[in-house]
Amino acid sequence: QVQLVQSGAEVKKPGASVKVSCKASGYTFTSYGISWVRQAPGQGLEWMGWISAYNGNTNYAQKLQGRVTMTTDTSTSTAYMELRSLRSDDTAVYYCARDVTYIVGATYYYYMDVWGKGTTVTVSS
Amino acid sequence: EIVLTQSPGTLSLSPGERATLSCRASQSVSSSYLAWYQQKPGQAPRLLIYGASSRATGIPDRFSGSGSGTDFTLTISRLEPEDFAVYYCQQYGSSPRLTFGGGTKVEIK
Repeated sequence: QVQLVQSGAEVKKPGASVKVSCKASGYTFTSYGISWVRQAPGQGLEWMGWISAYNGNTNYAQKLQGRVTMTTDTSTSTAYMELRSLRSDDTAVYYCARDVTYIVGATYYYYMDVWGKGTTVTVSS
Repeated sequence: EIVLTQSPGTLSLSPGERATLSCRASQSVSSSYLAWYQQKPGQAPRLLIYGASSRATGIPDRFSGSGSGTDFTLTISRLEPEDFAVYYCQQYGSSPRLTFGGGTKVEIK
């Protein structure tokens, strides 16, 4: 079955970096993108960015530009999200999701249909 | 940037009742770019509706989506106990690529 398996919880100090992995299985990895979404405690969903697993093109949320890098390893069907210069307000659950572009005739549909279970990142001194 | 505003923030209803959730966009959104997700505590979001009105695989037909332009609605025809959760609308744009609404919590009255 289609699934995304994320790496385990992380505890980091302010100023450090974290790299979260997301291993895909059950589908052709390069046929979809991966979006990363985070959720601070008790808050809503925040989109962080997207990467095409086909060609590595990326699109990042403006507020994270310069601190976030998303990559993929097509040989292992794994996506990575690295966040640098961590602050306390980066404490959140980080999700990867399969980002679908579905074309019917001339109509493009976009949505995220499979999600990882999330990786808790805690930033604390 | 398109901003999505969801209302109400919290909806208190009883099982068996009808739930109507609103998602209003600050600018017109293509219907094919609008999706709805359900999230239960401690779980990842789950895709319910894409293209404003198409149910995702395995989603019961008590869930329906409608709307166009700037006003979109998620309707749950008869609430089941497992439907009490937080619901988010989401749209795809150009910059940023996608945004979420703030969410509507459907709680047991």
